[in-house]
Amino acid sequence: EPEVTQTPSHQVTQMGQEVILRCVPISNHLYFYWYRQILGQKVEFLVSFYNNEISEKSEIFDDQFSVERPDGSNFTLKIRSTKLEDSAMYFCASSRRLETASEQFFGPGTRLTVL
Amino acid sequence: AQSVTQLGSHVSVSEGALVLLRCNYSSSVPPYLFWYVQYPNQGLQLLLKYTTGATLVKGINGFEAEFKKSETSFHLTKPSAHMSDAAEYFCAVSRATQGGKLIFGQGTELSVKP
Repeated sequence: EPEVTQTPSHQVTQMGQEVILRCVPISNHLYFYWYRQILGQKVEFLVSFYNNEISEKSEIFDDQFSVERPDGSNFTLKIRSTKLEDSAMYFCASSRRLETASEQFFGPGTRLTVL
Repeated sequence: AQSVTQLGSHVSVSEGALVLLRCNYSSSVPPYLFWYVQYPNQGLQLLLKYTTGATLVKGINGFEAEFKKSETSFHLTKPSAHMSDAAEYFCAVSRATQGGKLIFGQGTELSVKP
């Protein structure tokens, strides 16, 4: 059964460093998302991506964040200069269609720890 | 704006007992509603969803949920808990007029005692 994969599973970085979180969505999916969950808090939407551009982004997704689909398979989230408050679990998701009822398939997440 | 509230961050039931996980939503437009489950070290998996039509929806693993517009609720139930149901459960809402952005509740951790 196809699944969304994410690497690494755990990333530890120093404050101010750049990190890139990687995701491989399901191969025939067209819509891609990033969410994050700070420990003890809700899963929060960050950004959606379609046809090589951002469809929607939240207030959290400021200039420190960027997304890219550098090739036909990977979907990346870059945090340019990490802050302590960026420590969270980051989930990638993908779906075939944009209709809101379309199921989003989630990866297992990357736990980012900023020291 | 939309929001989701899950009552109870931890719920514990005995094996074979009824599972009831509560979810209330706020939405100014007709919502689409979802329940996701997360097992340890895994991603979020869709249990069931409500879009339109029948208000009682059935999902995987024997779970079901009923959309009650008058109560703005979408509670998740299962008649008889199994040990394998122990996981974190998330209720989520999206708007029919927007893209696929999901707005999640805080999650409820379900424990099942033997």
